[in-house]
Amino acid sequence: EAGVTQFPSHSVIEKGQTVTLRCDPISGHDNLYWYRRVMGKEIKFLLHFVKESKQDESGMPNNRFLAERTGGTYSTLKVQPAELEDSGVYFCASRLTGAASYEQYFGPGTRLTVT
Amino acid sequence: GESVGLHLPTLSVQEGDNSIINCAYSNSASDYFIWYKQESGKGPQFIIDIRSNMDKRQGQRVTVLLNKTVKHLSLQIAATQPGDSAVYFCAETYTDKLIFGTGTRLQVFP
Repeated sequence: EAGVTQFPSHSVIEKGQTVTLRCDPISGHDNLYWYRRVMGKEIKFLLHFVKESKQDESGMPNNRFLAERTGGTYSTLKVQPAELEDSGVYFCASRLTGAASYEQYFGPGTRLTVT
Repeated sequence: GESVGLHLPTLSVQEGDNSIINCAYSNSASDYFIWYKQESGKGPQFIIDIRSNMDKRQGQRVTVLLNKTVKHLSLQIAATQPGDSAVYFCAETYTDKLIFGTGTRLQVFP
């Protein structure tokens, strides 16, 4: 079974540019989460999808961040325009409702560098 | 890896010794507490979890202890191996999201 995949693995952009990160959850997982770790800080929650609906977006830092999950499969996270403080590692995780464990399965992350 | 510049508390142990990693949590209403392991260049990997109504749970070579009185969680790794070297995060679940601690770097030396 393929795990959670993320693309790209690394992105370097200039301040003011736009970047779109993609996450493909484990097939069949209805829950999809975005997290990020900015330098020197802990991993922080951004938002949670259940299928195509945003269940909780309380962690989104501001309106420069837009997440979508059209069709309830893969998700994208767009940052527009990017700022220096957006640099960090963005993780995606997925989980199947009703699974025996509460485990969220994480992808390898996308390292975003804004210069 | 992404931990460069991240100043984490570090635990150094000799191969074969037992490791104990500690974590304090903040939310009394959390349902589950989870330990994740993160190796360089990879995402967090689930190790073990414990429900809030339990105080101990054992897995393969790992034991998690939960003390709700003092809001403390610990991960014990028996017979630590070089492959255990990583950053370990505790996390608590709250309203279906994970709230992570700052992490502890475990270094295993021969």
